[in-house]
Amino acid sequence: AQTVTQSQPEMSVQEAETVTLSCTYDTSESDYYLFWYKQPPSRQMILVIRQEAYKQQNATENRFSVNFQKAAKSFSLKISDSQLGDAAMYFCAYRSGREYGNKLVFGAGTILRVKS
Amino acid sequence: GAVVSQHPSWVICKSGTSVKIECRSLDFQATTMFWYRQFPKQSLMLMATSNEGSKATYEQGVEKDKFLINHASLTLSTLTVTSAHPEDSSFYICSARPAGPEAFFGQGTRLTVV
Repeated sequence: AQTVTQSQPEMSVQEAETVTLSCTYDTSESDYYLFWYKQPPSRQMILVIRQEAYKQQNATENRFSVNFQKAAKSFSLKISDSQLGDAAMYFCAYRSGREYGNKLVFGAGTILRVKS
Repeated sequence: GAVVSQHPSWVICKSGTSVKIECRSLDFQATTMFWYRQFPKQSLMLMATSNEGSKATYEQGVEKDKFLINHASLTLSTLTVTSAHPEDSSFYICSARPAGPEAFFGQGTRLTVV
């Protein structure tokens, strides 16, 4: 079974600074997707960024980028120019590329605090 | 992106009663929806996978008779917590996936059983 590990229960960052959230995963599959979701205090799950395993290029969405190391099974999220609105719980998630294996496997989450 | 609407956002019920939570995909059809439970500051725990027109698939340890799931149409799945007890108090979230790899989530339901 696939597992996702987030080893940082909490992280803090100063406003306008950069922070990196770590995520590792374990799988024997070659076709899969990786995601970072943000859950702010409203508890609405928001997709931050997505990475297809077959793509070598790291995904980027504005201030958010990932460092995808397929061989190391690592998928970290970098947030640049941190803003107060980035404060939330962040979840790393894995989904098999197989059509019938379509449930998300979540990590334990990392609480990100942004200091002004 | 696709929109998933969950209702109600919060509900308080008396112990021993049942409560129904609805999950609707507003602008796409979802043959599969997922139901999660989340405790404060913890991750989402998958309870069951809801399949349109067939029985739900429950995760190990989830009581099927306690958490009834019905997926009657391609846009609606419901979770009914039967004979609710205080220990069922939690945050419940549904998600659905249109064509493509991304899943979209409802806004969640905070259930308090008194």
